[in-house]
This record gives sequence, structure tokens and C-alpha cells, in this order.
Amino acid sequence: EPEVTQTPSHQVTQMGQEVILRCVPISNHLYFYWYRQILGQKVEFLVSFYNNEISEKSEIFDDQFSVERPDGSNFTLKIRSTKLEDSAMYFCASSSEVGQGTHGYTFGSGTRLTVV
Amino acid sequence: AQTVTQSQPEMSVQEAETVTLSCTYDTSESDYYLFWYKQPPSRQMILVIRQEAYKQQNATENRFSVNFQKAAKSFSLKISDSQLGDAAMYFCAYRSGAGSYQLTFGKGTKLSVIP
Repeated sequence: EPEVTQTPSHQVTQMGQEVILRCVPISNHLYFYWYRQILGQKVEFLVSFYNNEISEKSEIFDDQFSVERPDGSNFTLKIRSTKLEDSAMYFCASSSEVGQGTHGYTFGSGTRLTVV
Repeated sequence: AQTVTQSQPEMSVQEAETVTLSCTYDTSESDYYLFWYKQPPSRQMILVIRQEAYKQQNATENRFSVNFQKAAKSFSLKISDSQLGDAAMYFCAYRSGAGSYQLTFGKGTKLSVIP
């Protein structure tokens, strides 16, 4: 079964450093998403991406965040200057249609980001 | 804005028994989708079941079924013949049928399965 692949699985970074989280969505999917889950809390939407541009973003997704699909296969989330409160599990997801459609989102296994 | 509430932080069930996880939501929309996701210790989010609001029939996927009460804005998940592998966090989620494509999640219910 096709998978969404995220790398790395765990990243530790110092406060103020830039981090890039990488995702390889399912190859025929057109819509891409980032969500985050702070430990012990609910999963929160960050951003959705379609046709090489952001289609929707939440209040969390401020100027410190950016997304990119640099080469047609990878989908990245960049945090420019990490803060302690950015420590969370970050999930990438993709879907073949808008939102869930008939096939639904497929989530990756997540990247655990720890900011120290 | 839509909200999703899961009032049971933790639940437990005996192996082979049935358990029901509760979820309520608040929306002014008539067209939307509802989901249950499972998050095992590996932390991956796995879709368990989905329900389209326009469908009156409750969705079923093998041992998993929902009780969708649109007027009451309730969407509970029933797990029959519980297995040890069902132990996980379960999240209820809402998605608008138009406009916003994001999923709004509840806080989750931690399900333990007792052998």
C-alpha cells in the first residue's frame, strides 16, 4: 500500500536554528498538508498546499514557517528560527482530492522535533 | 469555527468485548465529513472510518462502526470484539464539505485493551 514517507523520524535542534522537515507524498496525490501535535495535545492543522501554492493556513503558520515542493516529489516544511514551543510531532499528509475526497488523507509517521 | 469534543480522555475494554467512544461536534454547516483516526504508540495517524454527513446510513468497517446522529451532532465509534492491537489513541475529526479543507481534531481518547 502506498505510503507517505517523512524524514527524519526525530530531530533535535537548538533554539534559533532553522530546521527543514521532509516528506515524500504518495506519487499520484495532488494535495499536501502539514499538521502538528504537541505532546499530549490534539493534532492541529498548519497548512495545505495545492498546485505549488498554499491553499489554506492556520494561525499557527506564521512567518517563521514556510512550505515548498522543490522537485515534484518532496514536500518540505521549514521553520526559520525555532522556538521551544515548536517542539512537537509534525505530520505530513497527502490526498488525491481536496480534503478527504473518496480516498482520504494518508498521513506519514511523523517527525518528532525537539527544540533545546 | 467548528469544534470537536471527546469527553472521555481514557477508556478501557476487556479483550473480545465491545466499547463505544464518544464524539460531539459543533457546526453550522449541513455538508461535512467526520472521521475516526487511530494513533498507536508508533504515533502514525491511521484512518479507521469516515462518514459523510449527507448519508443517513452509519458507516461500518469490519469491527468498527459509527453511530451518527446528525441532529444531535454526535458521532460515536463502536469497536466490537476488541483486540489487543486496538489499544491506541483515537481521534475524532471534522472536515467541512466546502471551503476549508483542514481537519479539526478532538483531544483524543486513550483506549486500553485488557487481556
